[in-house]
Amino acid sequence: AQSVTQPDIHITVSEGASLELRCNYSYGATPYLFWYVQSPGQGLQLLLKYFSGDTLVQGIKGFEAEFKRSQSSFNLRKPSVHWSDAAEYFCAHLSGGYQKVTFGTGTKLQVIP
Amino acid sequence: KAGVTQTPRYLIKTRGQQVTLSCSPISGHRSVSWYQQTPGQGLQFLFEYFSETQRNKGNFPGRFSGRQFSNSRSEMNVSTLELGDSALYLCASSGELNEQFFGPGTRLTVL
Repeated sequence: AQSVTQPDIHITVSEGASLELRCNYSYGATPYLFWYVQSPGQGLQLLLKYFSGDTLVQGIKGFEAEFKRSQSSFNLRKPSVHWSDAAEYFCAHLSGGYQKVTFGTGTKLQVIP
Repeated sequence: KAGVTQTPRYLIKTRGQQVTLSCSPISGHRSVSWYQQTPGQGLQFLFEYFSETQRNKGNFPGRFSGRQFSNSRSEMNVSTLELGDSALYLCASSGELNEQFFGPGTRLTVL
């Protein structure tokens, strides 16, 4: 069965510092990969997605992610973090065919001034 | 376009009761998926409906059921509630591009 691993449960960064959140997936074929963000008590907002093509994808709020097939990774990056980026981030994978999405366990981001 | 709406936003029930949650997808979206989110188990897939048919189902007991109407609105039902059913229930709709758009969720508390 496919799985998504986010090895970092909690990350703290200073405002203005760069950010990288890790995500690894296990699936043979090229997966559909997503990053979502969730603020406390809210639903999930899609940041970006990768389906095919250019392995560096740009998303909203200044985020980007790079798909690396050789490393089975889809890490999320942002060059300069803002205090409003504090939230929980989920990496997700959509299996081919129907809309069954597998989520990672999430990474909680804390931003300190 | 209006986003995904879920009602009610908050719900308190007692053990043994049943509950029905509602989800209205984005206009034009025919697929609706349901997820349960808890601190211990994270986000878990419940089921997905497309054109009134359940296409996919997660590993939940039969107490969890759902349906979809001809206007794509969906409901999920949980019977004989247990304390462990306390969770945030999220609904997501998707169109042809396989992107899932989530609603704000229904926070269910079982006492």
